[in-house]
Amino acid sequence: ETGVTQSPTHLIKTRGQQVTLRCSSQSGHNTVSWYQQALGQGPQFIFQYYREEENGRGNFPPRFSGLQFPNYSSELNVNALELDDSALYLCASSLNRIDEQYFGPGTRLTVT
Amino acid sequence: ELKVEQNPLFLSMQEGKNYTIYCNYSTTSDRLYWYRQDPGKSLESLFVLLSNGAVKQEGRLMASLDTKARLSTLHITAAVHDLSATYFCAVDTSDTDKLIFGTGTRLQVFP
Repeated sequence: ETGVTQSPTHLIKTRGQQVTLRCSSQSGHNTVSWYQQALGQGPQFIFQYYREEENGRGNFPPRFSGLQFPNYSSELNVNALELDDSALYLCASSLNRIDEQYFGPGTRLTVT
Repeated sequence: ELKVEQNPLFLSMQEGKNYTIYCNYSTTSDRLYWYRQDPGKSLESLFVLLSNGAVKQEGRLMASLDTKARLSTLHITAAVHDLSATYFCAVDTSDTDKLIFGTGTRLQVFP
């Protein structure tokens, strides 16, 4: 059974650019949640996708958007990058909306 | 809004000593989780606590849950250097479908 995978591992972008992060959910899981973890802080919920529909959103601006595909993999898109977007982005998948979440290895985004 | 607080934020302890990390949350929760995070790495699941009075142990770590007091503890017994990491508690409810994390406790174990 393959666990949650994320790509890329690391990414460096310039302020104002756009970025796409990818997540493959664990086999059989139909729900993906995204979290942002700034240095020295706990992860903050960005949004969740359940069966290709957004199912809850945290306190993040609209320039953070997402997508879930029929195979339940997911993308996180961030437009107009700001320096404060520099963080570890974690993806987690779960069997269903309210089941235990399993985290991927994360993508480290640095905005310069 | 559901809030989760941990204390202490930072813990420096000698090998062989015992200590407890506390996690308080503000509203009713369905599940409480404990995670370990090494620097630059993702979250490693340690425990899932589902009901009042639940106690789970793995090696030198033991977690407990008191839903009436809205309190969970992570007890470290006879600490070793390998336990040095940041520990997070997190809660969720069936209403929110999201995890709310505590501030984290950075544990450093020295000889």
